[in-house]
Formats: sequence, C-alpha cells, structure tokens
Amino acid sequence: EDQVTQSPEALRLQEGESSSLNCSYTVSGLRGLFWYRQDPGKGPEFLFTLYSAGEEKEKERLKATLTKKESFLHITAPKPEDSATYLCAVQANSGGYQKVTFGIGTKLQVIP
Amino acid sequence: NAGVTQTPKFQVLKTGQSMTLQCAQDMNHEYMSWYRQDPGMGLRLIHYSVGAGITDQGEVPNGYNVSRSTTEDFPLRLLSAAPSQTSVYFCASSPDRTGGAQYFGPGTRLTVL
Repeated sequence: EDQVTQSPEALRLQEGESSSLNCSYTVSGLRGLFWYRQDPGKGPEFLFTLYSAGEEKEKERLKATLTKKESFLHITAPKPEDSATYLCAVQANSGGYQKVTFGIGTKLQVIP
Repeated sequence: NAGVTQTPKFQVLKTGQSMTLQCAQDMNHEYMSWYRQDPGMGLRLIHYSVGAGITDQGEVPNGYNVSRSTTEDFPLRLLSAAPSQTSVYFCASSPDRTGGAQYFGPGTRLTVL
C-alpha cells in the first residue's frame, strides 16, 4: 500500500531561520511527487511536481528535492507569510487509476 | 480565470437529508475530482472523472454519487447524510488526465447532525 509520512508535524521558526520539511514515501512505481501549500480555511495550492530522483524545483524561498525514498522542502530565510500547512503527495503507476496519496502535512509557523 | 469554484462554503444537514455540492472549473481541464479532508488524515479521494460522461470511484466512494455532463461541472451528491460525512470537501481539476498536479477549490465545510 502506498504511504506518505511527513515530518515534523509542526515546525516553528524565527523569521530568517532556514529549515527543511521531510516527506518519506513508499510507492510501487513513482509517477510523480507533489508539494502543496494550504492556508487555514482554504484549498491546497499547487507548488511543485518532481518526477525522478535528483530532480530539484525552486520558487522564491522554497526548494523541493527528491530522492528514491523521500523529498525535502527547503525553506530559505522564511517570512511570516510562509506560515501554512505544507502537504506532500505521491502518484503511483499502479492500480486501475493513477492514485494520488496525500500526507497529513507539516504545519509551519514563522514568527516575526 | 476563476479557477475552481465550489458552493456552498458552509452547510449543516440533519442525518438522512440529501444535498448536492457544486463544483465548476473554467480551465477546460478534463480531469476533475472530489476529496474529503478530516483532522489527522490526508486528503482522500471520493470520486473522479477523466472527461464528460466518464466517472469512477476513488478511495472512499460509499454514500456519494457523481455525474459529469459537461467539462466544466462536477457535482457531488450525498444520498442520505450521516454524521460520518462531516468533513471539509474539496473539488479539484487537473490538466493531466491522470490527475497528477491538481488545482483545488476553496472547499465546502459540511456538518451532519
């Protein structure tokens, strides 16, 4: 069964304090790994897709990387507006449809 | 572009009542889906569609029906609401016909008493 585990569950950072969020996954044939940002009371907002080990994507202060077993979302010099829950999801090449499995998320709080 | 829109934003139902959650997208995406989000659990797929007239079950389809008569609209029907269906429901669409990267609506918070 496909599994996605995100850690830590919650992270509190001072403004400017860089850190990383982890997404460990187990999937039979990875088709893609996705990162989303979710603000309270809103729908998830798509950030990145990663397809193969070694791939990296960047957007402003965020950088996503992928290995064969996990992905990291690096946040460089975060600002209070980066506070949100970050979701990781994997899509497998198996089953009758290309199922997407979501993690529970990491809740990030950036303190001014 | 309005993206993915959902109505209503909030709804309270009594056990046994039925209702339809509306979802529309203006991005001409073939793939659309419905998820529910519960505390302590990841988003779980209820039903999905890869085009008008084509729907299929996801991970947690029991108690829900869908239809897709147009590319734009993908309503979710609760047949006989139960307290276990209290949740936040998200509709999403994707330019990827297999439903990879998805664009989500703002959600409907449903409470079943």
